[in-house]
Amino acid sequence: GAVVSQHPSRVICKSGTSVKIECRSLDFQATTMFWYRQFPKKSLMLMATSNEGSKATYEQGVEKDKFLINHASLTLSTLTVTSAHPEDSSFYICSASKEQGGNTIYFGEGSWLTVV
Amino acid sequence: AQKITQTQPGMFVQEKEAVTLDCTYDTSDPSYGLFWYKQPSSGEMIFLIYQGSYDQQNATEGRYSLNFQKARKSANLVISASQLGDSAMYFCAMREGWTDKLIFGTGTRLQVFP
Repeated sequence: GAVVSQHPSRVICKSGTSVKIECRSLDFQATTMFWYRQFPKKSLMLMATSNEGSKATYEQGVEKDKFLINHASLTLSTLTVTSAHPEDSSFYICSASKEQGGNTIYFGEGSWLTVV
Repeated sequence: AQKITQTQPGMFVQEKEAVTLDCTYDTSDPSYGLFWYKQPSSGEMIFLIYQGSYDQQNATEGRYSLNFQKARKSANLVISASQLGDSAMYFCAMREGWTDKLIFGTGTRLQVFP
């Protein structure tokens, strides 16, 4: 069964509104989680590292004020797309591992965001 | 800079045959990990197999095996006895050092035909 769960799987929002996506580790604690973005028929690009109890670390070119990340507990990280625009429409997916540097990194089911 | 290259945008294979999906990587870090994931049309990323840079033997997981050639910096995925359900995108990815951040290749779309 899934060890990392993501919600919602699909969301449609209006331009200018904000939308929150949750990523949960189901049977383990994760001090770090990772958020990726995938454009259609493209590869996954790392957006940021979500750090429990501290600020997220964003990759170059990712707007931190646009993509707010909160990792308030050891099992939950949230990504909030603020003031969404149609160009933010994409597939967002999170990952976590049970053991840093281990041999398995699990991904959530992903979230399809459509901004209209 | 670390980099993952998958040179095959698409591959076809007949059911029950074996197929090799290519992956080459570039890194200056002696410690790294290589992953293969399957992504069906639903979007989920399904972990298939892992190879650590210090592992002496090639990884195997059921019908999946990883042909790890360290000197050539290649980590090809071999799928034996292909099944129709294997049709999907396949991504090769590399871990940066001991973090769990992954760098992905561009993927290979595998289509299995009867």
